[in-house]
Amino acid sequence: NAGVTQTPKFQVLKTGQSMTLQCAQDMNHNSMYWYRQDPGMGLRLIYYSASEGTTDKGEVPNGYNVSRLNKREFSLRLESAAPSQTSVYFCASSAQTVPMYGYTFGSGTRLTVV
Amino acid sequence: QQPVQSPQAVILREGEDAVINCSSSKALYSVHWYRQKHGEAPVFLMILLKGGEQKGHEKISASFNEKKQQSSLYLTASQLSYSGTYFCGTETMDDKIIFGKGTRLHILP
Repeated sequence: NAGVTQTPKFQVLKTGQSMTLQCAQDMNHNSMYWYRQDPGMGLRLIYYSASEGTTDKGEVPNGYNVSRLNKREFSLRLESAAPSQTSVYFCASSAQTVPMYGYTFGSGTRLTVV
Repeated sequence: QQPVQSPQAVILREGEDAVINCSSSKALYSVHWYRQKHGEAPVFLMILLKGGEQKGHEKISASFNEKKQQSSLYLTASQLSYSGTYFCGTETMDDKIIFGKGTRLHILP
């Protein structure tokens, strides 16, 4: 099925460990996004990539890095995980920066940092 | 800044109507509405553009008042399937979509 695929679905990290969250879309979308969702806080934008080869900071970029590997893939890296990064992470994609047909979200990665 | 949604939570009986509001302190170019079921990803409902018309989707419609920098989502004759958390997302001049904290809607049979 066409859509946005995120891996892994669940992850437990120890404080200070690093990891990369993977995201791939097969809809030929230009723009991709990483959001985190915490209880009562809604969806907060971490980083986004308006098109292949570009990335930009969102609302809460500290502690994260991203790579737009190609048009399909957009990864999120935590270099030194902290308990404050415990969250559900969603990747999304859209045909344009302002999507007339909305964002398509992946199923999320639930990350716990202990 | 995040747009402000109100109310934070609503409990309705099946068949009742609801209105969810979204307001921003910044000038808006568009407003998006999404619904998220528990444990699932958000799903796009509709987009309202500056200067555009009121949009509709099944019994769910929305309006956009550019002057007041506000949007409202209207759920008419609610169904059990409408339960979930509703998010508005606002687009400002730097092309980013910023989401509100969400409104939890619970429909009772």
